[in-house]
Amino acid sequence: AQKITQTQPGMFVQEKEAVTLDCTYDTSDPSYGLFWYKQPSSGEMIFLIYQGSYDQQNATEGRYSLNFQKARKSANLVISASQLGDSAMYFCAMREGGGAQKLVFGQGTRLTINP
Amino acid sequence: GAGVSQSPSNKVTEKGKDVELRCDPISGHTALYWYRQRLGQGLEFLIYFQGNSAPDKSGLPSDRFSAERTGESVSTLTIQRTQQEDSAVYLCASSLAGVAGQPQHFGDGTRLSIL
Repeated sequence: AQKITQTQPGMFVQEKEAVTLDCTYDTSDPSYGLFWYKQPSSGEMIFLIYQGSYDQQNATEGRYSLNFQKARKSANLVISASQLGDSAMYFCAMREGGGAQKLVFGQGTRLTINP
Repeated sequence: GAGVSQSPSNKVTEKGKDVELRCDPISGHTALYWYRQRLGQGLEFLIYFQGNSAPDKSGLPSDRFSAERTGESVSTLTIQRTQQEDSAVYLCASSLAGVAGQPQHFGDGTRLSIL
């Protein structure tokens, strides 16, 4: 079974609009962490935002926020006021257990921002 | 530079040859990870080192793949008798251990092409 599912292979959004990238996950471990990374066409992996399973509030980092719905096992990334530079692949990833552990990645969503 | 450094950035080799990929983690990061990313896909976990603990090799796809790490510094990923399906970008990441929410910081990867 897929541990991380990103159902949107591609998304097209107008500049300045908000966009939500979907991510659902599957784990039986009560302690886990969810990460979002951005991968521009240049290839580097850029960390965006983190949500811990015990965190009471949704994570926010600048224009990025994470809509964490624990009961539904979803961790959607919301980008407000999208910019042309947001065009990239976006990956959702999960770490099971505490501390430093491997990440399991989804297949990614390619986001294109249109001017 | 304080980031994760990988070399070479590109490697082209003939099927059947051995290759060695190098990763220099961020200083002070005790955890080091190798991932593989095939074209248009998400990242697949290969192996994980954490301090002096035995490495987690659960992601290595075959016994042609091996990796070593010297203390808390450089790691090398070796692929023996390369096959065309080994063509991918190999990404190394490092992180602080024992701190919840610490992201993995990625290098720029080695693009491996098997002819």
